[in-house]
Amino acid sequence: NAGVMQNPRHLVRRRGQEARLRCSPMKGHSHVYWYRQLPEEGLKFMVYLQKENIIDESGMPKERFSAEFPKEGPSILRIQQVVRGDSAAYFCASSGGNEKLFFGSGTQLSVL
Amino acid sequence: RKEVEQDPGPFNVPEGATVAFNCTYSNSASQSFFWYRQDCRKEPKLLMSVYSSGNEDGRFTAQLNRASQYISLLIRDSKLSDSATYLCVALIYNQGGKLIFGQGTELSVKP
Repeated sequence: NAGVMQNPRHLVRRRGQEARLRCSPMKGHSHVYWYRQLPEEGLKFMVYLQKENIIDESGMPKERFSAEFPKEGPSILRIQQVVRGDSAAYFCASSGGNEKLFFGSGTQLSVL
Repeated sequence: RKEVEQDPGPFNVPEGATVAFNCTYSNSASQSFFWYRQDCRKEPKLLMSVYSSGNEDGRFTAQLNRASQYISLLIRDSKLSDSATYLCVALIYNQGGKLIFGQGTELSVKP
């Protein structure tokens, strides 16, 4: 039973480009969470999604960031027109609706 | 004020020592609590849940005091492999449920 799969593991973008981060939850899980960890800081909640629905996006920056979890396929975190301050580790977690979250290995985004 | 606050680190202790981490939370909507462990900025992994009655798992003991909004983690007989960042986490049932992480406390166990 595969765990939470995130890809790519490392993503390098130049300022102004778009970044797409993918997350496939554990089999049977329909709840997905995205967190961001800046250098030397803790994990910050970004968004909580269930299939085709955004439940809580209170941690998402108002501009350039969007997330989706379609009926088929992985959840996508999309960052448009990236800036250097977007460089961080982005972690995805999934759950089956109970309290236990399982995290993916993360995507390290580096903006040049 | 941060929703979950932890002791500032790092904690440097010798092998075999007992070390305690403290954590406070401010959101009264917090329903459940956990300690996670993060190694070298890899993915966080659940260490243990925290219950009001207190719970123990081997060398680890967690305690919750809802009246004081305070959570603790005690590690006895520290091992080198315990070196990591320990994250205090609150689950808030508001618009569904989401985990709120403290900033983490770094533990370094030395030989």
